[in-house]
Amino acid sequence: QQQVKQSPQSLIVQKGGISIINCAYENTAFDYFPWYQQFPGKGPALLIAIRPDVSEKKEGRFTISFNKSAKQFSLHIMDSQPGDSATYFCAARPGGGATNKLIFGTGTLLAVQP
Amino acid sequence: KAGVTQTPRYLIKTRGQQVTLSCSPISGHRSVSWYQQTPGQGLQFLFEYFSETQRNKGNFPGRFSGRQFSNSRSEMNVSTLELGDSALYLCASSSGTSGAGELFFGEGSRLTVL
Repeated sequence: QQQVKQSPQSLIVQKGGISIINCAYENTAFDYFPWYQQFPGKGPALLIAIRPDVSEKKEGRFTISFNKSAKQFSLHIMDSQPGDSATYFCAARPGGGATNKLIFGTGTLLAVQP
Repeated sequence: KAGVTQTPRYLIKTRGQQVTLSCSPISGHRSVSWYQQTPGQGLQFLFEYFSETQRNKGNFPGRFSGRQFSNSRSEMNVSTLELGDSALYLCASSSGTSGAGELFFGEGSRLTVL
């Protein structure tokens, strides 16, 4: 129940295309859903985040779609660029207290071809 | 503003030894979390400290321990190292007191156990 399932494991997209990464969870107590981007040799960095009372959040070319009833959320990268090539992790915060603990998905390696 | 600093960046140990990793959070951040990143298991939560108190702990054996000092700097220790402890150990700091704040990750300490 404390898992976050992420797919696909890897993704190849042409420049200008849309990249879509999906995540699913079981624990309805999760109360915060961030996406992190990680480049080789670097630590993950927050990309965008959403709370379960919102169905969509957009920041520039990045959009999170959240389906509370299906317990799924996804990251859409519009107009994908070679500079977006990185590993993307979805995550969820277990609710019920003051904590920054996050449960991470297994990651998606995105390659954007020029 | 300086980011999260982790030392050492790379280290090699042999089985049975112990290791101490250090993390200096962003100035003003009182929450420090530690994560283990491996290709097989992804990012797994180790523990979280806030104002020198352990606020949360992941499912790791007692060989893994940590502490936080009054200046918010944190250390984690792994005793009796095993081959499976080879991983990238990431430290993250946050300014949020109640949780669900942005985590700022360091570049990690890469531990190799021979």
